[in-house]
Amino acid sequence: DAMVIQNPRYQVTQFGKPVTLSCSQTLNHNVMYWYQQKSSQAPKLLFHYYDKDFNNEADTPDNFQSRRPNTSFCFLDIRSPGLGDAAMYLCATSVEAGGTYNEQFFGPGTRLTVL
Amino acid sequence: GQNIDQPTEMTATEGAIVQINCTYQTSGFNGLFWYQQHAGEAPTFLSYNVLDGLEEKGRFSSFLSRSKGYSYLLLKELQMKDSASYLCAVLDSNYQLIWGAGTKLIIKP
Repeated sequence: DAMVIQNPRYQVTQFGKPVTLSCSQTLNHNVMYWYQQKSSQAPKLLFHYYDKDFNNEADTPDNFQSRRPNTSFCFLDIRSPGLGDAAMYLCATSVEAGGTYNEQFFGPGTRLTVL
Repeated sequence: GQNIDQPTEMTATEGAIVQINCTYQTSGFNGLFWYQQHAGEAPTFLSYNVLDGLEEKGRFSSFLSRSKGYSYLLLKELQMKDSASYLCAVLDSNYQLIWGAGTKLIIKP
């Protein structure tokens, strides 16, 4: 089945210790998104890739970086996690072409705990 | 600024009907999405409205009024598995998805 996969599902890291979250998709979608979602809050878009073009949200901290080595994979790097970075991190994909925007398909999320 | 408003929490009875409202103020409009999110899980797509009116899909219907900046999600014949958060999201003029904080729906037997 075509899907969006995130690994790991649960990640525990130490304060200040770099961590990488991964996302892969078998949908062959050209757009990939990273969201941060805290309890009872809306998902907050961190950045997205439109094909290889990287789009960073203005209020995304420099502590967050992303890589998309190919169509299928996307990584979220948190260089120095703080306690405030504990959240669910959601990866999503969609197909965008010729001004037509379709729904986003989400992975199961990675719940990050910072000790 | 851009804003999506929806009630924080609603309670309904199994078998009943519930309407979850969403009002929005965004820079432009290219459609409105409703997503369902169970606790600890990712959002899943429910509906998309870009024209005024009602879209029906099984037990779920979604309504849009662009002139009023208003949408609702109608859930019929409620089941216990419908207990979840329901997120309203608007695609703005830059094709950015602006999310509401979600409405937590509690279904009681």
